[in-house]
Amino acid sequence: GENVEQHPSTLSVQEGDSAVIKCTYSDSASNYFPWYKQELGKRPQLIIDIRSNVGEKKDQRIAVTLNKTAKHFSLHITETQPEDSAVYFCAASWNNNDMRFGAGTRLTVKP
Amino acid sequence: DVKVTQSSRYLVKRTGEKVFLECVQDMDHENMFWYRQDPGLGLRLIYFSYDVKMKEKGDIPEGYSVSREKKERFSLILESASTNQTSMYLCASSLVFTGELFFGEGSRLTVL
Repeated sequence: GENVEQHPSTLSVQEGDSAVIKCTYSDSASNYFPWYKQELGKRPQLIIDIRSNVGEKKDQRIAVTLNKTAKHFSLHITETQPEDSAVYFCAASWNNNDMRFGAGTRLTVKP
Repeated sequence: DVKVTQSSRYLVKRTGEKVFLECVQDMDHENMFWYRQDPGLGLRLIYFSYDVKMKEKGDIPEGYSVSREKKERFSLILESASTNQTSMYLCASSLVFTGELFFGEGSRLTVL
């Protein structure tokens, strides 16, 4: 089955700096790559996703890039704010089915 | 809004007990999932179902079984709970067409 690896496990940045989280996947058939944010004590929620026919997608301060050849994708958060502090999970699946997640990155944004 | 409801937020069980975790979604989603969340290990897929009475094993199915008799309900069963099954269990559902997972609030299970 699919195996998703995520780095770093923890990331601390100053408010206003950028944050980058990277993931690799093993199954070349995977074609859907979402990112979820989980705030403390809450359920994970989708923040952005990308499909294999697209190389980059942006939504305000967050962007995701995908390199299918290298089988890796990254989350970029610019102008970080304290409310961006959370655990972020990347995931991969084929045709929106069995979704596999990375181990998560705990992002801390210091005021 | 999509609502995914898990029957119990907190459970304490004894080793060897049978445990039922229930999940109900109200948006006619085809796919339903059970994940286990442990610190440092992320969300690990236990089982998923893409239709009524259909189930597929995830990465850690050992010690678990599932049941999906109706489209809106997906149950996770621990036949004989063990201490290493102490964890947070998250249910999720999605439309096949979009793929976005909607999660329940989670069930924190402690096995003594």
